Amino acid sequence: GDSVTQMEGPVTLSEEAFLTINCTYTATGYPSLFWYVQYPGEGLQLLLKATKADDKGSNKGFEATYRKETTSFHLEKGSVQVSDSAVYFCALSDPLNSGAGSYQLTFGKGTKLSVIP
Amino acid sequence: DAGITQSPRHKVTETGTPVTLRCHQTENHRYMYWYRQDPGHGLRLIHYSYGVKDTDKGEVSDGYSVSRSKTEDFLLTLESATSSQTSVYFCAISESVGQGLTEAFFGQGTRLTVV
Repeated sequence: GDSVTQMEGPVTLSEEAFLTINCTYTATGYPSLFWYVQYPGEGLQLLLKATKADDKGSNKGFEATYRKETTSFHLEKGSVQVSDSAVYFCALSDPLNSGAGSYQLTFGKGTKLSVIP
Repeated sequence: DAGITQSPRHKVTETGTPVTLRCHQTENHRYMYWYRQDPGHGLRLIHYSYGVKDTDKGEVSDGYSVSRSKTEDFLLTLESATSSQTSVYFCAISESVGQGLTEAFFGQGTRLTVV
C-alpha cells in the first residue's frame, strides 16, 4: 500500500536558520502531495501542495518540489521564525489506490519543529 | 475557515461505556474522515466516508464504527471504550477534483480520555 516516510524529530533550530524536512513516499499511482502544519492545540491546516512532477508548492516562505524520480517532496524554508514552531506532516492522496471513489489521505508521522530566538 | 465542527471538544469516559463523537460540516464535501493522533504514530485513519451511507474501514478500525445518514454529519462510535482508545480524534473533509483530492480541512479535534 501507499506510505509516507518523513524525518524523525524533534528538530530544533535557531531563528533565521535554514530548514529542511525530508519526505519520501511510495504510491501505486501518480499521487498528489501535501504538507500540513499543526500548531499547538489546533487541527491540521494545509501549508502547500503539488499535483504533478516538478511542480513546486510554496506558501509563507516554505517550498517543496515534487520529485517523481526520487519519490520525494522535501520541505524547505530559507529563514525560520519562532512562529514556525509546529508539527509538520507530509501526506499523499493516490487515486489509483482508491476504489469506487474512496479517496484516502495517507500521512507521515509528523516532524516537530522548535525554533528558538 | 472551512465549516467543520467537532463535538464534544473534550470528554472523559469510563472503560466499557459507549461514546459517540460528532463531526458536522457546512461545505457539502463528499469525503469525510476520522483520524486518531497519538505520539509516535502521527495520524492514523480509522474510518472514512465517500457519500451518504457509504463508509469504509481505515487502518485502525477495530473497536470503532461510523455512520453517515446525511451529507453534513459523520459520527464515530466507540461501542465499549477502552484505555487504548484514549487519543485525540480529528475529523477531516475533502472533495474530489479531476483525478485527485482538494486539500483536506480539519476540525479542531476531540480529546478523549478513557479511565
